[in-house]
Amino acid sequence: GESVGLHLPTLSVQEGDNSIINCAYSNSASDYFIWYKQESGKGPQFIIDIRSNMDKRQGQRVTVLLNKTVKHLSLQIAATQPGDSAVYFCAESADEYGQNFVFGPGTRLSVLP
Amino acid sequence: DTAVSQTPKYLVTQMGNDKSIKCEQNLGHDTMYWYKQDSKKFLKIMFSYNNKELIINETVPNRFSPKSPDKAHLNLHINSLELGDSAVYFCASSHKRLTSGRLDEQFFGPGTRLTVL
Repeated sequence: GESVGLHLPTLSVQEGDNSIINCAYSNSASDYFIWYKQESGKGPQFIIDIRSNMDKRQGQRVTVLLNKTVKHLSLQIAATQPGDSAVYFCAESADEYGQNFVFGPGTRLSVLP
Repeated sequence: DTAVSQTPKYLVTQMGNDKSIKCEQNLGHDTMYWYKQDSKKFLKIMFSYNNKELIINETVPNRFSPKSPDKAHLNLHINSLELGDSAVYFCASSHKRLTSGRLDEQFFGPGTRLTVL
């Protein structure tokens, strides 16, 4: 079946460095993508989204890049801070109303002091 | 002030029991969801529901049933609990854009950790 996955299950970065979290998806019909952050003991929290008619979108300290040719999504976090330590999920949706999101397995980001 | 709330936060029960998890959202959203997160952090949608339509993930056993007394609540009932039901269950909600019909980002509750013994 269609799936969303991540290249790296864990990522450790030094505080202040930039982080890049990758996600591969296989459903070429997906047209809406979201990155979520999940801190320990909490539910996922929306970070940023992007639709398939865009290849880049920027937020505060975060940038999402979408490469539809290779079905790849990435989340870039600038100047990573200790508070960024969490599990990050990409999610994709291909249905007409974006109801059914398929989540990737998650990447744990650890920020080292 | 909590946007999406769930009760209980922890639920420990014996195999074979029937239990319910409650979810409430005060965001005025018209669509609610239930997700299951396993021990490996994998998130899987179980149901999405608005006042018109219930969409069920076909892999979800029929022992699981969502019940919505009103637009702000979507409770999850589980019958004949099994060991494999142990997981964290998340409720979420979102708003449907009137212009496009597309759904906005989902807001998640804090989760309910279910342990079946």
